[in-house]
Amino acid sequence: GAGVSQSPRYKVAKRGQDVALRCDPISGHVSLFWYQQALGQGPEFLTYFQNEAQLDKSGLPSDRFFAERPEGSVSTLKIQRTQQEDSAVYLCASSPEGTVEQYFGPGTRLTVT
Amino acid sequence: QKEVEQDPGPLSVPEGAIVSLNCTYSNSAFQYFMWYRQYSRKGPELLMYTYSSGNKEDGRFTAQVDKSSKYISLFIRDSQPSDSATYLCAMSGTNAGKSTFGDGTTLTVKP
Repeated sequence: GAGVSQSPRYKVAKRGQDVALRCDPISGHVSLFWYQQALGQGPEFLTYFQNEAQLDKSGLPSDRFFAERPEGSVSTLKIQRTQQEDSAVYLCASSPEGTVEQYFGPGTRLTVT
Repeated sequence: QKEVEQDPGPLSVPEGAIVSLNCTYSNSAFQYFMWYRQYSRKGPELLMYTYSSGNKEDGRFTAQVDKSSKYISLFIRDSQPSDSATYLCAMSGTNAGKSTFGDGTTLTVKP
């Protein structure tokens, strides 16, 4: 079946612009995660949803970052007033209920100029 | 200091060699230990996971967890050029919720 998809794959934003990154999880997966991966580093947790409920947003670096999953399926990560330090790959993962197995999408590479 | 430490390498081995990849951690609450493989410009792909201490084998891959030492390993037997990738360890305290990742070890297997 189809895996996790993310769009856009690449995004260039000028500093100060707002961006929206989309994640389509595997159908039926209850859990959805957002991670940020800087060059040469491992993924860093941002936030986690179980269905439409955002259960953990402890990793969001500032109030410029906002995520939603209104119908318990597609999720959007929004970054307001982008800064250069926001440049990274943003990874989305989904997971069936009751398992640690996370299935990752290809990521969105964000470059802030 | 990071919760999960992983030697970044790079590690270069000849085809057919046995590869050993390792991570240490500081959070004793971690119960689930995962290994992911990440090819360039792709998302991580789960290879295998282990619950608590012990060994787990899957084909050419063996994962070991020693909770008393807070040390985990992934062994790759008969390494192939297609194994060339970055290997990430990850850990979680429960079977739901976030994973904490190491920074990855870059492996190159030369034909």
